[in-house]
Amino acid sequence: GEDVEQSLFLSVREGDSSVINCTYTDSSSTYLYWYKQEPGAGLQLLTYIFSNMDMKQDQRLTVLLNKKDKHLSLRIADTQTGDSAIYFCAESMADRGSTLGRLYFGRGTQLTVWP
Amino acid sequence: NAGVTQTPKFRVLKTGQSMTLLCAQDMNHEYMYWYRQDPGMGLRLIHYSVGEGTTAKGEVPDGYNVSRLKKQNFLLGLESAAPSQTSVYFCASSYGPKQYFGPGTRLTVL
Repeated sequence: GEDVEQSLFLSVREGDSSVINCTYTDSSSTYLYWYKQEPGAGLQLLTYIFSNMDMKQDQRLTVLLNKKDKHLSLRIADTQTGDSAIYFCAESMADRGSTLGRLYFGRGTQLTVWP
Repeated sequence: NAGVTQTPKFRVLKTGQSMTLLCAQDMNHEYMYWYRQDPGMGLRLIHYSVGEGTTAKGEVPDGYNVSRLKKQNFLLGLESAAPSQTSVYFCASSYGPKQYFGPGTRLTVL
């Protein structure tokens, strides 16, 4: 199956770290993604990780992947009020005979950052 | 580069009316997608295309048709709109592992 699960809400204080968690069920995932959606806007690709990696860091963002537990997390260091948004976890799997990576999304985690 | 653009941004339809949503990308991407987003849900794939002249069904294709006559454009059609099709529609295009999304079209069917 393509079930991607995320907690729905997270609140943090400005300056703290945020950790958003995601679990997925399909071990044949090729890439795992984090997208950010601000109110009334489209999805912005934040970062992605190839399934044979276990960590990726990009400025304030750290992605950890535990393939054994099928668990993905996004850590945002020094969280700012501008980071308030919905964060979507997604996995992609190549269709058989194709290089197309269809994305399967979680429901999103609403991150609220308090000043 | 404008990236992925969608028209219109908003639309209100009555049940049974038809309409076409237009997606355009200027990145020369082969792959294009249409998703819908409902409140409290992630995005679900409606249809996709792996190149000019080709289309395929995604997870929730019923009630929609698509066409990819030109590489840069991907059209989503609703022949007879239903209230269940009230949603926000996102188009995306991709090259390699990255998918780039448009700003969305908010559709309300009364």
